[in-house]
Amino acid sequence: DGGITQSPKYLFRKEGQNVTLSCEQNLNHDAMYWYRQDPGQGLRLIYYSQIVNDFQKGDIAEGYSVSREKKESFPLTVTSAQKNPTAFYLCASSATGGGQETQYFGPGTRLLVL
Amino acid sequence: AQSVTQLDSHVSVSEGTPVLLRCNYSSSYSPSLFWYVQHPNKGLQLLLKYTSAATLVKGINGFEAEFKKSETSFHLTKPSAHMSDAAEYFCVVGFSGYSTLTFGKGTMLLVSP
Repeated sequence: DGGITQSPKYLFRKEGQNVTLSCEQNLNHDAMYWYRQDPGQGLRLIYYSQIVNDFQKGDIAEGYSVSREKKESFPLTVTSAQKNPTAFYLCASSATGGGQETQYFGPGTRLLVL
Repeated sequence: AQSVTQLDSHVSVSEGTPVLLRCNYSSSYSPSLFWYVQHPNKGLQLLLKYTSAATLVKGINGFEAEFKKSETSFHLTKPSAHMSDAAEYFCVVGFSGYSTLTFGKGTMLLVSP
């Protein structure tokens, strides 16, 4: 089955803790994206990567970090600097990263703060 | 700058009646336009995509959208709503020369029996 997987489905963070969200795709796509979703605000872009070992900040990158060491994987770390991390996080991928390409989404991870 | 506006945050219909979800975009260039659907606590699923081949685009589950350049609109319609259509719908725009898509804030579709 081709697609995008995200894990875990739910994640709990304690104050001052860094947590990492996993995103894996087997679509052989070059580009991958991380979005944050809050009620009534749509999707906001955190980071994106169009090629291995390269990534760019999106609109709300502060308090987050990413890596892209493998084509199929694009993990997102929510650092302790992110003061309001509670949200639904969505990972997506597209074939080459062009601005008119269809993006395909994973099932999401909901992050909650204890 | 590219932007997209979904004109209604919530739309309520009765099962069996038509659905209209409105979307306007702003741009000087020819866009690609998408509609995605999201069921609660799920990822986004592509409903349909416009890429300039035809102004009326048919998607999955009986949805369709019409691109009107003069009105810069891309409204989503369905002739008869089903209970399973209750979800949040996102209008999305993309342009050549950009690396990312721009998402509308979403329209929640409520379907009553």
